[in-house]
Amino acid sequence: RKEVEQDPGPFNVPEGATVAFNCTYSNSASQSFFWYRQDCRKEPKLLMSVYSSGNEDGRFTAQLNRASQYISLLIRDSKLSDSATYLCVVSTGGYNKLIFGAGTRLAVHP
Amino acid sequence: DARVTQTPRDKVTEMGQEVTMRCQPILGHNTVFWYRQTMMQGLELLAYFRNRAPLDDSGMPKDRFSAEMPDATLATLKIQPSEPRDSAVYFCASGPGTANTGELFFGEGSRLTVL
Repeated sequence: RKEVEQDPGPFNVPEGATVAFNCTYSNSASQSFFWYRQDCRKEPKLLMSVYSSGNEDGRFTAQLNRASQYISLLIRDSKLSDSATYLCVVSTGGYNKLIFGAGTRLAVHP
Repeated sequence: DARVTQTPRDKVTEMGQEVTMRCQPILGHNTVFWYRQTMMQGLELLAYFRNRAPLDDSGMPKDRFSAEMPDATLATLKIQPSEPRDSAVYFCASGPGTANTGELFFGEGSRLTVL
């Protein structure tokens, strides 16, 4: 079983839609959680951290459920530019050792 | 803009050949990571270094892969001999080393094709 599991998608949504991605992780000792974004044929880039109390960054909301070992990302009012692969990331240990999920692909259409 | 630099960007080689990929981390970053990305497996951590010392290379096939940091400005990943199943995009990433900030800065990747 992979350490971080995500639904690969693709999620095809119209502009303006709200879309949610989920992710589960297997290591209960995991300490920190993040969402990265990767555009086609580009490198991954940090989108946002995920805090226990939940956090928002504009149209993006991240939630963490430690008891269920579950992380979510909600995107409201989807834009064409949101089309990308969203990677769920877990840090298990110090020194920023990040374990990536395989990613969920989002395609926003007009 | 400070960025992680990787070379080569693209490499096509034949099975059995040696491949060396190079990475220049962002100046001042003391953690360096090598990841491999394929469609099937996603991003897999191969090895990582802190202050040039290897901390974990358990994700790397030891018989053919080796990773080193000869100095603070250069990290290398070598495959010898290469095999078709090594075809992937290899990413180098660096970070400032502060615990769990989550931000790694990735290079643009080296796309390897082994025929």
